[in-house]
Amino acid sequence: RKEVEQDPGPFNVPEGATVAFNCTYSNSASQSFFWYRQDCRKEPKLLMSVYSSGNEDGRFTAQLNRASQYISLLIRDSKLSDSATYLCVVNIERNEKLTFGTGTRLTIIP
Amino acid sequence: GAGVSQSPSNKVTEKGKDVELRCDPISGHTALYWYRQSLGQGLEFLIYFQGNSAPDKSGLPSDRFSAERTGGSVSTLTIQRTQQEDSAVYLCASSSPRVNEQFFGPGTRLTVL
Repeated sequence: RKEVEQDPGPFNVPEGATVAFNCTYSNSASQSFFWYRQDCRKEPKLLMSVYSSGNEDGRFTAQLNRASQYISLLIRDSKLSDSATYLCVVNIERNEKLTFGTGTRLTIIP
Repeated sequence: GAGVSQSPSNKVTEKGKDVELRCDPISGHTALYWYRQSLGQGLEFLIYFQGNSAPDKSGLPSDRFSAERTGGSVSTLTIQRTQQEDSAVYLCASSSPRVNEQFFGPGTRLTVL
C-alpha cells in the first residue's frame, strides 16, 4: 500500500464550480499535513497546511480526519488559474522528509 | 529574497558518465532535502541534511548516488555511472527550523541517453 494515496484524476471542471480532492495516508504517526500545488514543469509550492480543526484560505478549505487518516481539499468558485496538479503531502517528523502522493490533476474549463 | 537555486537547469549525459547536481538553499535554512520526480511518478525522497550531516539517507536508490553538504549551505548530489532509469527531475528543498515548510528549487532535469 502506498504511504499517501490520491485519485490521479484528471478532474475537468467548469469555471465557477466547486471541486473536492481526497487523500489517505497509511502511517498513523504522521504529524503534519499539507497540500502543495505543482504547475506543469515547475516546482511544487505550498498551497496550505492542514490542521485537525480544519482551515480555510479564501476559496480553499482543507480538512484532516486523523481517525480515518484522510485529508481533503475543497476549492470553491474555481478559476482558470486553479488548473494544476495538487499534491497531498505528509510529514512524520517536523522538518524531516515529506512523503508525497502522486498528485491529482485538475483542469478548469472556460 | 532569493529562493532555492539549482544548477544546471538541464543536463543531458551519456549512460555510464558521472554527473553532479548543485543546490543553493535559502540563506539561513539549516535543513536541505533532495527529491526526484520521474515521468508519471510522484516526488520521491532521496536524502536530507541537517547542517552538514545527513540523518536520513534512506531514499538513495543505490550506492551510485551520494550527496554532501559543506559549510551548512551548498549541497551537491552526485550520480556515478548514470543509467537511463536515473532520468528524472531532481528537486532540492530547504527549510528553517522555525517554520515547518519546505521551499523547492526549480529542479535539474537530467536525461541519460
